[in-house]
Amino acid sequence: AQTVTQSQPEMSVQEAETVTLSCTYDTSESDYYLFWYKQPPSRQMILVIRQEAYKQQNATENRFSVNFQKAAKSFSLKISDSQLGDAAMYFCAYRSAIGNQFYFGTGTSLTVIP
Amino acid sequence: DSGVTQTPKHLITATGQRVTLRCSPRSGDLSVYWYQQSLDQGLQFLIQYYNGEERAKGNILERFSAQQFPDLHSELNLSSLELGDSALYFCASSDRDREGTEAFFGQGTRLTVV
Repeated sequence: AQTVTQSQPEMSVQEAETVTLSCTYDTSESDYYLFWYKQPPSRQMILVIRQEAYKQQNATENRFSVNFQKAAKSFSLKISDSQLGDAAMYFCAYRSAIGNQFYFGTGTSLTVIP
Repeated sequence: DSGVTQTPKHLITATGQRVTLRCSPRSGDLSVYWYQQSLDQGLQFLIQYYNGEERAKGNILERFSAQQFPDLHSELNLSSLELGDSALYFCASSDRDREGTEAFFGQGTRLTVV
């Protein structure tokens, strides 16, 4: 089974600064999808960004961008101009293109300091 | 709004009892996933259904069972409940247009076993 590793249980960032959350994964597949989900205190799971493995260009969504390094099996999330509302648990997830289950990392708790 | 509806939102029940959690996926989504999230823990994958058929199974206890109906809604049945079953149970759906897309999560059912 694929594994997803988030080695940073907790991170903090000053408001308006930039922070990068790390994620690595293990797979022998060449076609897959990677995701970052945000879980705020409300505990709702919200999709932040998605990356298709066949795309070389890194995905971006407003202040959120990823650094996808396929050979290194690394998928980090960069949050620019951090806002108080960004405080949440962030989960990295992997899914095979064949359409089986999602594999989630253990999460990184992000604190935004005013 | 993710388009995934879970009922009930909250459930309090006694040990030894049986409960049913219900999930209505996004319109047209063929896959339904169930996850368990205990307090301050990550997401534990329980089971996936695709178009009525069981597709993948995680660490689901024998006391738990699930099914997906012809109209694609799903139910998770939890029986002989124990205190340790208290958790947030998420349903997610995906695969409306093609396989391999992101999962859309419901708001979760918060189960408290007393």
